[in-house]
Amino acid sequence: GAGVSQSPSNKVTEKGKDVELRCDPISGHTALYWYRQRLGQGLEFLIYFQGNSAPDKSGLPSDRFSAERTGESVSTLTIQRTQQEDSAVYLCASSWTGGGNSPLHFGNGTRLTVT
Amino acid sequence: AQKITQTQPGMFVQEKEAVTLDCTYDTSDQSYGLFWYKQPSSGEMIFLIYQGSYDEQNATEGRYSLNFQKARKSANLVISASQLGDSAMYFCAMREGEGMDSSYKLIFGSGTRLLVRP
Repeated sequence: GAGVSQSPSNKVTEKGKDVELRCDPISGHTALYWYRQRLGQGLEFLIYFQGNSAPDKSGLPSDRFSAERTGESVSTLTIQRTQQEDSAVYLCASSWTGGGNSPLHFGNGTRLTVT
Repeated sequence: AQKITQTQPGMFVQEKEAVTLDCTYDTSDQSYGLFWYKQPSSGEMIFLIYQGSYDEQNATEGRYSLNFQKARKSANLVISASQLGDSAMYFCAMREGEGMDSSYKLIFGSGTRLLVRP
């Protein structure tokens, strides 16, 4: 079956430009997560969506970052006025529910490079 | 405070031998869940194994087992009969709470890079 799909797989942008990253979760998964992974580091939580509930945005590093999700479908992560420190792999994950032993299923990520 | 600690940035193991990857965690919750993920050089995150804090037995999944020592707050991953394809980054992660009362955030450690030698 189809897994979590992310696009683009790679994005190179100039400092100061806006970028939009897309995530298509596994069908039926109600929970959706965005993580950031800097080179050689672990995963940093950014934002969480659960169904139609208000998202948890507590991990967003600044107000240049925002994300949307319509119902239980596609999500977009937008970074405005990109900075070089935004360079990282942005991973999206989905799961059946938002808790318990439900593992996260990850996409292959979007590698963002800000020049 | 760091919730998940993986103290081994890199490990080597000989093919066909067993290897233990360390993970310690910090939580004041009585119930929580622990996960291990594998990240090959391709970048995908692959779920390996789960251990709930109230599980009485150590979790096992094929060649993967979890050495869970609750009093020491450690959840080490044991890979038996290592294969060349096991070379990857391995991440330990924790979700506080369990079942319907669990939180949703999965907090990750910094990872251990495992290299399997032929």
